[in-house]
Amino acid sequence: AQTVTQSQPEMSVQEAETVTLSCTYDTSESDYYLFWYKQPPSRQMILVIRQEAYKQQNATENRFSVNFQKAAKSFSLKISDSQLGDAAMYFCACLYGGSQGNLIFGKGTKLSVKP
Amino acid sequence: DTGVSQNPRHKITKRGQNVTFRCDPISEHNRLYWYRQTLGQGPEFLTYFQNEAQLEKSRLLSDRFSAERPKGSFSTLEIQRTEQGDSAMYLCASSLTRGLENIQYFGAGTRLSVL
Repeated sequence: AQTVTQSQPEMSVQEAETVTLSCTYDTSESDYYLFWYKQPPSRQMILVIRQEAYKQQNATENRFSVNFQKAAKSFSLKISDSQLGDAAMYFCACLYGGSQGNLIFGKGTKLSVKP
Repeated sequence: DTGVSQNPRHKITKRGQNVTFRCDPISEHNRLYWYRQTLGQGPEFLTYFQNEAQLEKSRLLSDRFSAERPKGSFSTLEIQRTEQGDSAMYLCASSLTRGLENIQYFGAGTRLSVL
């Protein structure tokens, strides 16, 4: 079975500091995509960043970047210069290629940002 | 384009009643997904459509659940004879698939409470 594991239920960061959220996944497939989604309280899930498994270069989106270690099946999210608006649940998800079109999500990490 | 729209946002029902949720995807998106999210968990896949065809169902989708996407546009998810265990957030997502690329955009969800 394909799984996604987020081992940090909660994390906290000081405003303007950097925080890294961890994610590991398990699959035997070679084609897949990895995503980080942000879910603010009572609001819809928003895509933060995505990574194609066939690309070696780590994806970046402004203050958000990933550390993709394919051999270790690790996909961590780094948030630089944290802002109060970054406070949310963060979900790591994996989409496997072929006919399967659904995302497999981790249980999430609740990020708090201290002013 | 206003994104994925879900109605109602909240639904309270008594055990044994039937409920129906609606999802309007982003226009021209060919795929539509339903997920269920319980408290403290990541979303779990229920089913998805490519245009009007329902291509996959999760084992979580019991016989009491049915989903339709009659014209390949909006979709409905019906739960018959609701049980307290059905209480959850029901999320809809849509995507425009290009090859293996499949970025899913989520709605705000329908929160179901079964009393």
